[in-house]
Amino acid sequence: DIQMTQSPSSLSASVGDRVTITCQASQDIRKYLNWYQQKPGKAPKLLIYDASNLETGVPSRFSGSGSGTDFIFTISSLQPEDIATYYCQQYDNLPLTFGGGTKVEIK
Amino acid sequence: EVQLVESGGGLVQFGRSLTLSCAVSGFTFEDYAMHWVRQVPGKGLEWVSGISWNSYIIGYGDSVKGRFTISRDNAKNSLYLQMNSLRAEDTALYFCAKDFRDILTGRFDNWGQGTLVTVSS
Repeated sequence: DIQMTQSPSSLSASVGDRVTITCQASQDIRKYLNWYQQKPGKAPKLLIYDASNLETGVPSRFSGSGSGTDFIFTISSLQPEDIATYYCQQYDNLPLTFGGGTKVEIK
Repeated sequence: EVQLVESGGGLVQFGRSLTLSCAVSGFTFEDYAMHWVRQVPGKGLEWVSGISWNSYIIGYGDSVKGRFTISRDNAKNSLYLQMNSLRAEDTALYFCAKDFRDILTGRFDNWGQGTLVTVSS
């Protein structure tokens, strides 16, 4: 199985800050990585697919990059409504696997 | 509007069985693969199982393989998860998720709100 290592596990930043989360795969997953946002008590929401493509309707302050084993998720200017846990997920191979999550809080 | 509504969760004894259902609306169910993803409260996400549009391609996570069975009824716009030999570690919120394609791509573009399964001894 492909292991997804996400870091940090939590972070605290100020409104307007640039926030970066990394995700590393245990083997080459090409571009097949998604990023999800999960707010407390809610279902996850797809933000980024194929490592760098923004899902329809998602604000442009969210972005993703990377390929192979190393990926980056960025919020260019943190907003109060971005408080959530973010997960990466590979879909190059079954079983599909998720990173451990990054909890983003406002400082 | 796409809607996925899970049901069937509840308290069940260790070793018993339970079947979850997911009723969908707002899209042509038979055109899309579907998945189950679970989450232990306060913890991360774990893919449980996925099924292609025609049920020909099915996959399971390692922790449920041989105990859980996914199925679908396209005529009823419904997805199911038969869970046997339940263990304490199966306690979780179970989400139904829609794939963006007819095959198992693993891109979940819509999710239900989940149904909670609690396995007790």
